[in-house]
Amino acid sequence: DIVMAQSPDSLTVSLGERATINCKSSQSVLYSSNNKNYFAWYQQKPGQPPKVLIYWASTRESGVPDRFSGSGSGTDFTLTISSLQAEDVAVYYCQQYYSTPYTFGQGTKLEIK
Amino acid sequence: EVQLLESGGGLVQPGGSLRLSCAASGFTFSIYAMSWVRQAPGKGLEWVSVIGGSSDSTYYADSVKGRFTISRDNSKNTLYLQMNSLRAEDTALYYCTKCEGGSCYSPSDYWGQGTLVTVSS
Repeated sequence: DIVMAQSPDSLTVSLGERATINCKSSQSVLYSSNNKNYFAWYQQKPGQPPKVLIYWASTRESGVPDRFSGSGSGTDFTLTISSLQAEDVAVYYCQQYYSTPYTFGQGTKLEIK
Repeated sequence: EVQLLESGGGLVQPGGSLRLSCAASGFTFSIYAMSWVRQAPGKGLEWVSVIGGSSDSTYYADSVKGRFTISRDNSKNTLYLQMNSLRAEDTALYYCTKCEGGSCYSPSDYWGQGTLVTVSS
């Protein structure tokens, strides 16, 4: 199984500042035949189901604010929130869908300073 | 508007069975892969199973393989999860998700609100 390791486990950032969450996979999730990374980021607010933010490592889901961006390839990925807003308080998860089981990272809890 | 409505959760004794259902609407159900993801109370997300649009492919987490069966009825726009030999560690909120593509190898772009399964004597 591919293990997904997120860092940090929790993060406290001031409003308007940049937040960065990292995710490392135990093996590459880049499919060479189509050059796509089978990787996504999800946001889960308290009491709500998760919501996809980014997929194929860097494609922003429709309706997601452009302050959210995803980068990386192969085994190392980053979610960046360029200017933190109060509504961004949530737990963020990475996931690979390159091979089953489609494993998630352990989650990163983002709070406001 | 895409809607996913799970049902069938509840309290069951260890060793018992439950069948979860997920009624889908707002999209052409038959052309999209669908999956189940669960979340134990206060814990992270755990992928459970996925099924292709035409039921051609099914995959399972090792933790449920041989005990759970995913299926779908495209004529009823409904996804199912038959859960047998339930254990305390299966206690979780079970989410139905729509996959972004027809292939199983795609992210979950829509999630239901979940149905709670509690396994306890």
